[in-house]
Amino acid sequence: DTGVSQDPRHKITKRGQNVTFRCDPISEHNRLYWYRQTLGQGPEFLTYFQNEAQLEKSRLLSDRFSAERPKGSFSTLEIQRTEQGDSAMYLCAPSVGPITDTQYFGPGTRLTVL
Amino acid sequence: GDSVTQMEGPVTLSEEAFLTINCTYTATGYPSLFWYVQYPGEGLQLLLKATKADDKGSNKGFEATYRKETTSFHLEKGSVQVSDSAVYFCALSVAGSGNTGKLIFGQGTTLQVKP
Repeated sequence: DTGVSQDPRHKITKRGQNVTFRCDPISEHNRLYWYRQTLGQGPEFLTYFQNEAQLEKSRLLSDRFSAERPKGSFSTLEIQRTEQGDSAMYLCAPSVGPITDTQYFGPGTRLTVL
Repeated sequence: GDSVTQMEGPVTLSEEAFLTINCTYTATGYPSLFWYVQYPGEGLQLLLKATKADDKGSNKGFEATYRKETTSFHLEKGSVQVSDSAVYFCALSVAGSGNTGKLIFGQGTTLQVKP
């Protein structure tokens, strides 16, 4: 158990719809990362929060994507006007301590866009 | 830019065989190195890590040594079990000014161990 929950675990949506995912670290983590993993590939970095501040966004994060971390605890990732290419596993990974300290991955949200 | 390259899989071994999964990296700074494992139907789990040159990370019989001179972090296990069947990911993160510690992953290597 990594102490990280993600909701929903699975999401099927039609192209063009908006979806929102949530990540809840159980304990206090000042840093939180989002990654995306497609089939047969390693996870790719999407965005990074330190407390409530979003400090880095990947170029993978188009303007259809937005992420928030109000109060520096849970985080949400929203995708607007979903496309079939958005189908992937979305992973969050909280961390605490030095910047290269271990990131503990949540179970992920699997998104399927029809 | 920073990158990680893993040997291509799948790797198929018999139980009790010796395992090596090669991993090399390119980094502009001084990275920390990680191996993560993903068992079938489960999430990513940290297997081991090393934060400086010549450090050896170890866990569950797996080992990897941080080799700065060859920019490598090869994963080894002396005797694999069927339960080791999984996908293994090598990753790095770089500290220092302007870096956020994001992980950069290799493409993963699938290991299948047969009884």
